[in-house]
Amino acid sequence: QVQLQESGPGLVKASETLSLSCTVSGGSISSYYWSWIRQPPGKGLEWIGYISYSGDSKYNRALKSRVTMSVDTSNKDVSLKLSSVTAADTAAYFCASSARIRDSSGWSIYFEYWGQGTLVTVSS
Amino acid sequence: QSVLTQPPSASGTTGQRVTISCSGTRSNIGRNTVSWYQHLPGTAPKLLIYRNNQRPSGVPDRFSGSTSGTSASLAISGLQSEDEADYSCAIWDDSLDGYVFGTGTKVTVL
Repeated sequence: QVQLQESGPGLVKASETLSLSCTVSGGSISSYYWSWIRQPPGKGLEWIGYISYSGDSKYNRALKSRVTMSVDTSNKDVSLKLSSVTAADTAAYFCASSARIRDSSGWSIYFEYWGQGTLVTVSS
Repeated sequence: QSVLTQPPSASGTTGQRVTISCSGTRSNIGRNTVSWYQHLPGTAPKLLIYRNNQRPSGVPDRFSGSTSGTSASLAISGLQSEDEADYSCAIWDDSLDGYVFGTGTKVTVL
């Protein structure tokens, strides 16, 4: 079974870059797309973007100018960088495996495996 | 503000059936498939339903999903105390060219 573990600083200063890592174990990094999802305190889930092992990526348009994702296949690691953070970026950040299928039913994208999440607070 | 609208809350007593709606648009529901997630504060969300009505292994058959037009529903039959959680629908939106989550529904077991 795929297991995911996020890691990174829990506190980031405003205007700086948030950097998180997600280590994949128990499965092949080439079998899925990998997404980052966040949940601000008291709010709903927000998709940040996804990336494949080959680098195929798509980001949330609202965050696109500040987001960079990458995959290190040798270390089975997926990273997220979010630049110019503000207090609005304070959230629990999750990485998740993304099934991505297109057929007669349209796009089927869903997240089967999730990391436990890591809380990132942006301080002023 | 999400393009997928859910009621903020739903409730029922143990054993009852609870239904959660997810209202979308022609650029998402009806064009692509819906998934549903259960999440508790401080824990990772759990996939309950994918491809509109499919349950992953290990998810009880008390949980079922359906779609009609530009709306989707999650039904929980035989409500149990451990079902008290937040539930979110989610889908790929062709107009946004991105993935969207619903506004979320908190289910309370009375």
